[in-house]
Amino acid sequence: NAGVTQTPKFQVLKTGQSMTLQCAQDMNHNSMYWYRQDPGMGLRLIYYSASEGTTDKGEVPNGYNVSRLNKREFSLRLESAAPSQTSVYFCARGTGTGEGRNTIYFGEGSWLTVV
Amino acid sequence: AQSVAQPEDQVNVAEGNPLTVKCTYSVSGNPYLFWYVQYPNRGLQFLLKYITGDNLVKGSYGFEAEFNKSQTSFHLKKPSALVSDSALYFCAGSMDTGRRALTFGSGTRLQVQP
Repeated sequence: NAGVTQTPKFQVLKTGQSMTLQCAQDMNHNSMYWYRQDPGMGLRLIYYSASEGTTDKGEVPNGYNVSRLNKREFSLRLESAAPSQTSVYFCARGTGTGEGRNTIYFGEGSWLTVV
Repeated sequence: AQSVAQPEDQVNVAEGNPLTVKCTYSVSGNPYLFWYVQYPNRGLQFLLKYITGDNLVKGSYGFEAEFNKSQTSFHLKKPSALVSDSALYFCAGSMDTGRRALTFGSGTRLQVQP
């Protein structure tokens, strides 16, 4: 158990619909992350948050927004879903404030299909 | 800028034989390197990391990795493979300047045959 809980685990959306992926950690760590995993491409960083109230864009932020209202929760929102956003989404927590040497721990993933 | 490459999409090995999963990196500065494993329909699990010091790093489930600065490599190894080691393995890297989140390789599927 990595101490990261993601909901929902599975979701099917129609193109243009919006939805929010929820993520919560139970370790009181500062840094949190959202990655997406696509076949043959590894994991790509969407957004990360070094601490409560701060967020930064990652490698593939277009089409997404995030919210870090408290230390425990970090949500990812798709405002107008597109088929290209069909993917597996992983939330993660990290010790420290995102320093490169700190290990990050992943949730179990959210499978999103946009039709 | 930082990047991590895993040159093999799949590695096949017989149970009981040693295994190696390759990883090379490119960072401007001192790298921090990680290995994760992913079982089907699960999240990534941390195996081991190199920060500084001893080039041979030991991790979970009998895995180890060797940091080689001259070859910019961080290969994952295990002396004797188990069928249960079959999974998707990811190498990842970061550094302490610029963007500090992990950059991942594309993954290598390890298949251990009985």
